[in-house]
Amino acid sequence: KAGVTQTPRYLIKTRGQQVTLSCSPISGHRSVSWYQQTPGQGLQFLFEYFSETQRNKGNFPGRFSGRQFSNSRSEMNVSTLELGDSALYLCASSLTLEWPVEQYFGPGTRLTVT
Amino acid sequence: AQSVTQLDSHVSVSEGTPVLLRCNYSSSYSPSLFWYVQHPNKGLQLLLKYTSAATLVKGINGFEAEFKKSETSFHLTKPSAHMSDAAEYFCVVSDLGTGGYNKLIFGAGTRLAVHP
Repeated sequence: KAGVTQTPRYLIKTRGQQVTLSCSPISGHRSVSWYQQTPGQGLQFLFEYFSETQRNKGNFPGRFSGRQFSNSRSEMNVSTLELGDSALYLCASSLTLEWPVEQYFGPGTRLTVT
Repeated sequence: AQSVTQLDSHVSVSEGTPVLLRCNYSSSYSPSLFWYVQHPNKGLQLLLKYTSAATLVKGINGFEAEFKKSETSFHLTKPSAHMSDAAEYFCVVSDLGTGGYNKLIFGAGTRLAVHP
């Protein structure tokens, strides 16, 4: 079974631009979570989607948004990019919502903002 | 609120010697704990998980971890390090938040170096 895939793998943007990242979960997984990884802040939770509904959101500004489609694929969008948004963005999928959830991670998208 | 503290930011061992990566957690109820590994330029891979069954948990690649409630610890060990074990390791607690939300809370990570 194919793992979690994320596209693109690398991205370079300029301050003020917006960006959209894509995540395809493992087949059959309906929950998708997004995380931001930076050297200074480590891994931080962005949001979680299940059946096209955002269930939980981390402490990030409104410039960060996401959505999930009926086929469980998810996108996250960052508008008005800032230098501090440079990070590795990781997507994870899980089969169920039953706690504790076991999440499977994709390789990430490396975003560089110049 | 739950939290995780990884006691060492860097650990260096020689190939063939034991590995010990230390993790303490804080939880108001019985936690669920994980160890993930991240190789350079890769995503995170689940090594093992504890979910209130056996306190000694065996994972992939010869790793294991022991849950000690009295010490609030979940240390990761491996009897003999291999060069391919060089990576960053994250101790993670699964938080069951209000409304039944699942959220992973990550430790700061421990970078493991393995020398020949």
